[in-house]
Amino acid sequence: EDKVVQSPLSLVVHEGDTVTLNCSYEVTNFRSLLWYKQEKKAPTFLFMLTSSGIEKKSGRLSSILDKKELFSILNITATQTGDSAIYLCAVVYNTNAGKSTFGDGTTLTVKP
Amino acid sequence: KAGVTQTPRYLIKTRGQQVTLSCSPISGHRSVSWYQQTPGQGLQFLFEYFSETQRNKGNFPGRFSGRQFSNSRSEMNVSTLELGDSALYLCASSFSSGTYEQYFGPGTRLTVT
Repeated sequence: EDKVVQSPLSLVVHEGDTVTLNCSYEVTNFRSLLWYKQEKKAPTFLFMLTSSGIEKKSGRLSSILDKKELFSILNITATQTGDSAIYLCAVVYNTNAGKSTFGDGTTLTVKP
Repeated sequence: KAGVTQTPRYLIKTRGQQVTLSCSPISGHRSVSWYQQTPGQGLQFLFEYFSETQRNKGNFPGRFSGRQFSNSRSEMNVSTLELGDSALYLCASSFSSGTYEQYFGPGTRLTVT
């Protein structure tokens, strides 16, 4: 059965800390892995990863994919209270147009 | 460029009724995917439409259906509503099929009483 597992489920840190969020997957015919940030509204796109070992970076956020070990990490450095959100990982797979499965998300709380 | 829009934003229905939700993708995007989000199940894929054709379908009963029009706007229909259908229904658009780099709308909050 195709599945995407995120860990930890929740995390509480203080401003300035660095966090690492994990996403592991087991799917058939992997195509890409996507990270989203969801606050009180709909998810917003962060990164799309298709190749192993190539880091994607946007400001204090970065992500990398390991297709051999079937996981991805999302790093956030120098966290701010505005980083508090649910971070979702989704995997696109299958041979045709692609199906997608989301993980349950990691709820990050950044305290001042 | 305007984002993904969904209407209505909130809806209250009773069991047994049917409902139609609408989604207008970002201009130029031809793929629209629908998701159901609930606290217990998280975000679950319903189906994807591209060029007026359903390309993929998740594991939902036949009561959930959709369609896409020539202007890429999409509608989702749920018939014979059940209490468990109460959820946030999100649509996401992307330029091409396969849910690459998709952008979500604000969602429609459906409450079934």
